[in-house]
Amino acid sequence: TQLLEQSPQFLSIQEGENLTVYCNSSSVFSSLQWYRQEPGEGPVLLVTVVTGGEVKKLKRLTFQFGDARKDSSLHITAAQTGDTGLYLCAGADSGGSNYKLTFGKGTLLTVNP
Amino acid sequence: DTAVSQTPKYLVTQMGNDKSIKCEQNLGHDTMYWYKQDSKKFLKIMFSYNNKELIINETVPNRFSPKSPDKAHLNLHINSLELGDSAVYFCASSLMRTGEQFFGPGTRLTVL
Repeated sequence: TQLLEQSPQFLSIQEGENLTVYCNSSSVFSSLQWYRQEPGEGPVLLVTVVTGGEVKKLKRLTFQFGDARKDSSLHITAAQTGDTGLYLCAGADSGGSNYKLTFGKGTLLTVNP
Repeated sequence: DTAVSQTPKYLVTQMGNDKSIKCEQNLGHDTMYWYKQDSKKFLKIMFSYNNKELIINETVPNRFSPKSPDKAHLNLHINSLELGDSAVYFCASSLMRTGEQFFGPGTRLTVL
């Protein structure tokens, strides 16, 4: 069974601060996806990283996939209140079944004004 | 247009009852999923269908029975509801080759 550990579990910061969320595993994944979930809604896909060492940027969000494809990080620069939400990482099975995702338990981010 | 829709949004019922949740996607995806999100926000896959064929069937009580009449629809029927079934159930869809999933708004099931 592949497991994904996310840290921290909870994060409360002030608007304008920077933060990093981590997603770690002892298993190799073929790709890793990041989702954000707002209260009362379903998760929304932010990005998919596929290649070891890959870095993708989405405005103030920077996603990195570890060289060994076992871990990933999400860095947010100058956080805004609109960044508040539950951030979930999900790894796709390394056996080629991209549709079979293992989700981490999430990081609940609160950005205070 | 709503990409992945689920009905109902809320479901409150008594223990022992049978209930169904419906899901539809208009994205042209070939794969659909049911997830359960517990009170601690952990999202766990239950079932997945590809072109109406069951491809993922995790360890779920056989009181839960999914049905996919076509690749745009995936329903979930639950028999003899128990207190522990209370959770938010999400439907999702994707293309099988990418696995990038689009989620519905969720159905909050409360069993009393």
